[in-house]
Formats: sequence, C-alpha cells, structure tokens
Amino acid sequence: GESVGLHLPTLSVQEGDNSIINCAYSNSASDYFIWYKQESGKGPQFIIDIRSNMDKRQGQRVTVLLNKTVKHLSLQIAATQPGDSAVYFCAEIPRSNDYKLSFGAGTTVTVRA
Amino acid sequence: DSGVTQTPKHLITATGQRVTLRCSPRSGDLSVYWYQQSLDQGLQFLIQYYNGEERAKGNILERFSAQQFPDLHSELNLSSLELGDSALYFCASSAGQRSSPLHFGNGTRLTVT
Repeated sequence: GESVGLHLPTLSVQEGDNSIINCAYSNSASDYFIWYKQESGKGPQFIIDIRSNMDKRQGQRVTVLLNKTVKHLSLQIAATQPGDSAVYFCAEIPRSNDYKLSFGAGTTVTVRA
Repeated sequence: DSGVTQTPKHLITATGQRVTLRCSPRSGDLSVYWYQQSLDQGLQFLIQYYNGEERAKGNILERFSAQQFPDLHSELNLSSLELGDSALYFCASSAGQRSSPLHFGNGTRLTVT
C-alpha cells in the first residue's frame, strides 16, 4: 500500500532564512501531490500542489520540488516568517485510488525570532 | 476562513455513548470528506461523499457511519464510543474532481471519558 513519510518530525528555522521540508513517498503510481499547512487549533490549509508530469512548481514564497526517481517531495519556504510556524503535511493521490488522499505524519516548523 | 463549518467545536462524552458531528461544506462544493486526527495516527481518511452518495471509504470503523444530505451538509455518527475514539475529527469539502484541493474545517475535538 502507499505510505507517505516525512524525513524530520521537527524543524527549527531562523526568521528570514529559507526552510526546506522533505517528504518521501513509496507509491510510484501516485501522480498528484499536495502540501498542507496546519496551524494550532485549525484544520489543514492547502498550500500548493504538483502533478507527476512536473518537477517544480512555484507559488507565493513557496516552491514544491518533485523527484520521481527517488520518490521524494520537498517544500521550500523563502524568507520564513513567524506566521509560517505550523505543522506541514505532504499528501498524495495514487492513480489507482482516485479520492483517498493519504497524508504523511507531518513536520512541525518553528520559526525563531 | 476555509468556508467549511463544523459543529460542535468541542464534545465531551462518556464511553458507550453516541454522538453526531456536523459539517457544512463550502458553497458550491459537492464532495465532503471526513478525517480523524489523533496524536499517534496522524490524519486518517474515513469516508467521502459526493453529491449525496458514498464515493470512497477508508479506515472507518463499523461503529461509525456518515451520510450526506440533499442540501450537501454531512453528518458523522460515532456510536459505542471508546476511549481510543478521542481525537480531532475534520471535515473537508471539494468540488469533487480528482485534483480539486480539499478545504478543511477547523474540526471537532471529541473527548471520550
């Protein structure tokens, strides 16, 4: 079955630095990946997505990179701000299962002032 | 604000009891998803409905059931509650297409004592 995992459960970043959050997935049949951010007391919030026919996608201060060869996904946050402190989840949808979004365990990002 | 409304925000009940969690999706969204989030299990997909019909099922216990009504709101019923059912229950909605982002509510925190 598919599994989505994150490399590190926690990440501490200095305000203004760039953050990189990593995620490994095991299902090579997955063709759609999403990053969510969950702040304390709130539900997950969509950040950015990427399809398997792309290697990179940029949003506002965020970039997602997909390496299908090693089944690795990363989220880069530029100029990290205190408001970026949250738990970040990667999620995937395998081609074989259209609607079951599988989430990883999450990385807690703490921004130091 | 995601546009997804969940009630109640908090629920405390005893083992063996039954509760109903309610979700109103974003305006225009036809699909509703239920997720359970506990500290040791992360975000677990329970079930999805699309326009009133069940579309996908995850790790939902037989003691749990859900439905989506004609006005598209959804209810998750949890019965014969056990201590281990204590968790955050999230509802999410989407347009229902495979790559439609999920928009999550802020969850219902269930505590079973």
